[in-house]
Amino acid sequence: NAGVTQTPKFQVLKTGQSMTLQCAQDMNHEYMSWYRQDPGMGLRLIHYSVGAGITDQGEVPNGYNVSRSTTEDFPLRLLSAAPSQTSVYFCASSYRGGGTEAFFGQGTRLTVV
Amino acid sequence: DAKTTQPNSMESNEEEPVHLPCNHSTISGTDYIHWYRQLPSQGPEYVIHGLTSNVNNRMASLAIAEDRKSSTLILHRATLRDAAVYYCILRANSGGSNYKLTFGKGTLLTVNP
Repeated sequence: NAGVTQTPKFQVLKTGQSMTLQCAQDMNHEYMSWYRQDPGMGLRLIHYSVGAGITDQGEVPNGYNVSRSTTEDFPLRLLSAAPSQTSVYFCASSYRGGGTEAFFGQGTRLTVV
Repeated sequence: DAKTTQPNSMESNEEEPVHLPCNHSTISGTDYIHWYRQLPSQGPEYVIHGLTSNVNNRMASLAIAEDRKSSTLILHRATLRDAAVYYCILRANSGGSNYKLTFGKGTLLTVNP
């Protein structure tokens, strides 16, 4: 059981470049979400999905797009990278309901120069 | 979103118990209390959750006040591996936001050998 898998683990981008951060889960979870974590801070929600074909914005969505064509995959796209998007990105998944635990990936460390 | 308040940091000695407090005075009746921890350079990891009654698992215990306005995560014998940031989070059990985990800054636990 792989859990939540994120790729790549590290990435350096130049300002203006685009890229996709991959997230996959093998637990058949309905909910998936993307967070970013800046130094010394807690995690902030970027986008989330409550099921295939359904996505919505979180707290800090600007500059990012998502799609959910399958239950398993939830990619995060940076449209035109900016230095302010330098951060560590975490993907999470869970079943619905407050009494279920969330599983997190190991993160993607992104640097935009 | 209901908010939580935690101390910024706490210190413990190895093999001693640790009590990590969390205040959540605006908790609603259907919010679950979750605890996650984040080891250095890793994604958050589920620790425990509860609704009204105290809970025990292999990692920790969760003591919930009778009025549910506060809770305490108890690590019975701290080890060096327990040094991490601990997050207390409320997760709704119904409505449109039950996917959501809202992270604060958490409590940085230092464990001394």
